[in-house]
Amino acid sequence: EAAVTQSPRNKVAVTGGKVTLSCNQTNNHNNMYWYRQDTGHGLRLIHYSYGAGSTEKGDIPDGYKASRPSQENFSLILELATPSQTSVYFCASGGNWGSSAETLYFGSGTRLTVL
Amino acid sequence: TQTVSQSDAHVTVFEGDSVELRCNYSYGGSIYLSWYIQHHGRGLQFLLKYYSGNPVVQGVNGFEAEFSKSDSSFHLRKASVHWSDSAVYFCAASNQGGRALIFGTGTTVSVSP
Repeated sequence: EAAVTQSPRNKVAVTGGKVTLSCNQTNNHNNMYWYRQDTGHGLRLIHYSYGAGSTEKGDIPDGYKASRPSQENFSLILELATPSQTSVYFCASGGNWGSSAETLYFGSGTRLTVL
Repeated sequence: TQTVSQSDAHVTVFEGDSVELRCNYSYGGSIYLSWYIQHHGRGLQFLLKYYSGNPVVQGVNGFEAEFSKSDSSFHLRKASVHWSDSAVYFCAASNQGGRALIFGTGTTVSVSP
């Protein structure tokens, strides 16, 4: 079974500070995703990638950057954190795109609080 | 605009009861639908998916879902719930041929003894 590991599990940041959330997957999946989960909104897609070196904007990319330096690693970067970015962030990976009916494997989440 | 709607935010059932969680979508073209479960404090886990063929799909732990093109729905059902089924359930969809999954807002299921 695919393993997706997120770090840190919990993070407290100050407004205006830089935050990096890391994600590592060990199943050699091409596709990786960052979602945030907020009450009343479910999961919303921030950025995604379909391979090393690629990043694509999701539905709510403003205030976030992403980096995919390798097949295994996908980071989410908040250059200037704001309290509105307080949320739980989930990373996911998936092996097949589109017509192959991709199944996503999720990490355990990172709870970010921006003060 | 592509959307996934879960009309029930919270459902409470007794152990042994049946449950149906509703999901409706608004998408053009061919669609891929799935359900995920999230236990408290955990990441989401895949339950089942519909891609094509038989509109009734079976998942893990006795869950099944039925696709209806005419109703634009993909409702999840279980005939007899267990306390361990208490969780948040998410419906998700994407167009076949590309783009990431879009999730609904989730339905919290509470199973009482």
